[in-house]
Amino acid sequence: DTAVSQTPKYLVTQMGNDKSIKCEQNLGHDTMYWYKQDSKKFLKIMFSYNNKELIINETVPNRFSPKSPDKAHLNLHINSLELGDSAVYFCASRPTNNYGYTFGSGTRLTVV
Amino acid sequence: AQSVAQPEDQVNVAEGNPLTVKCTYSVSGNPYLFWYVQYPNRGLQFLLKYITGDNLVKGSYGFEAEFNKSQTSFHLKKPSALVSDSALYFCAVRVAGASGTYKYIFGTGTRLKVLA
Repeated sequence: DTAVSQTPKYLVTQMGNDKSIKCEQNLGHDTMYWYKQDSKKFLKIMFSYNNKELIINETVPNRFSPKSPDKAHLNLHINSLELGDSAVYFCASRPTNNYGYTFGSGTRLTVV
Repeated sequence: AQSVAQPEDQVNVAEGNPLTVKCTYSVSGNPYLFWYVQYPNRGLQFLLKYITGDNLVKGSYGFEAEFNKSQTSFHLKKPSALVSDSALYFCAVRVAGASGTYKYIFGTGTRLKVLA
């Protein structure tokens, strides 16, 4: 009965590869997010999706693309991976009338 | 620029003592403020929020936070620390984004270590 689940938990890949991280929430929330946490533990919002529509796209390289097949899923695709993409990526969701996020447990991406 | 600052990378406190984790903010308008906790290998968990009303907000696990408008601060507190409180704590503020939407800005995090 996990609320927000991400797969995989760990991902090690070589520079130049393309990879995807999946996120699913069973809370019925309207908005889903992707955050990047760097080595200094700083959290930066990457994308926000509401009812399958991209709302916020921060200054993230276009190698990153969110894909939302339905309200319960928001996947993150990364093309041509670079060393600097190594980080922990968190998926989160939030209902429309509540300010509290529910976060997934994170995906640790290591690019070698 | 709108921002959140957590001036301490780490806070050490003895078990049973009161703890404070500091947060200051810089936003236009009335702030919506939040505290989250991250345990090792886990996602962030919501602790508490301030939207309006009483300046002292009570949250999960016995934590509370005090909103101080004049000092633009929202410090997290607990009267008696537990070893199990050891974790990474994030302060966040909600600000207006593009096209009538909102985004959340997180601080850099403060690692709390409670010593037995």
